[in-house]
Amino acid sequence: DAKTTQPPSMDCAEGRAANLPCNHSTISGNEYVYWYRQIHSQGPQYIIHGLKNNETNEMASLIITEDRKSSTLILPHATLRDTAVYYCIVRGGAGNNRKLIWGLGTSLAVNP
Amino acid sequence: GAVVSQHPSRVICKSGTSVKIECRSLDFQATTMFWYRQFPKKSLMLMATSNEGSKATYEQGVEKDKFLINHASLTLSTLTVTSAHPEDSSFYICSASKAANGYTFGSGTRLTVV
Repeated sequence: DAKTTQPPSMDCAEGRAANLPCNHSTISGNEYVYWYRQIHSQGPQYIIHGLKNNETNEMASLIITEDRKSSTLILPHATLRDTAVYYCIVRGGAGNNRKLIWGLGTSLAVNP
Repeated sequence: GAVVSQHPSRVICKSGTSVKIECRSLDFQATTMFWYRQFPKKSLMLMATSNEGSKATYEQGVEKDKFLINHASLTLSTLTVTSAHPEDSSFYICSASKAANGYTFGSGTRLTVV
């Protein structure tokens, strides 16, 4: 599975949009982009995933560039509870037995 | 839907004793579950892939006799840390997948060996 690169940390003001970038320049055609977040001392929480089209759900939006080499997770109105480490992961193929390789993620601090 | 329950959330044990951590998929069947450990300010490190009805697949460097995994049913996998030592103190997390593209994680177990 392709490797991802994320900035180690970011800050965001409460109520503003948080835009978290991820580079995955070696992504291949059948690999999905997943985003998870981990609040301190809890298990990771699924946020969103996509293949090539932009995706939106109740938590966030995922923007994937046309060449699929990078993506951006957007939290439209960040709250203090969104303070967490955000992980961008690329995983290939279908099936529920594929392991996820975790990088260091981006530590997002939402400030009042 | 897709809830994974992990128990206990915290455990303190003495050196040399064994500790069992349970991971249950509450509303779905999981043929595959994953076990991770995480050190402070570090990312998740996959320890092993647990397969229902067969032996677990361990990642390189993880001692299978130290970390015993049993996946006896489609809703339960257990991780037993045998003869625990202080260096085994860590945050252990399990995950399971309901659908082809999604993984749900347990809330984690904080193990402290004294």
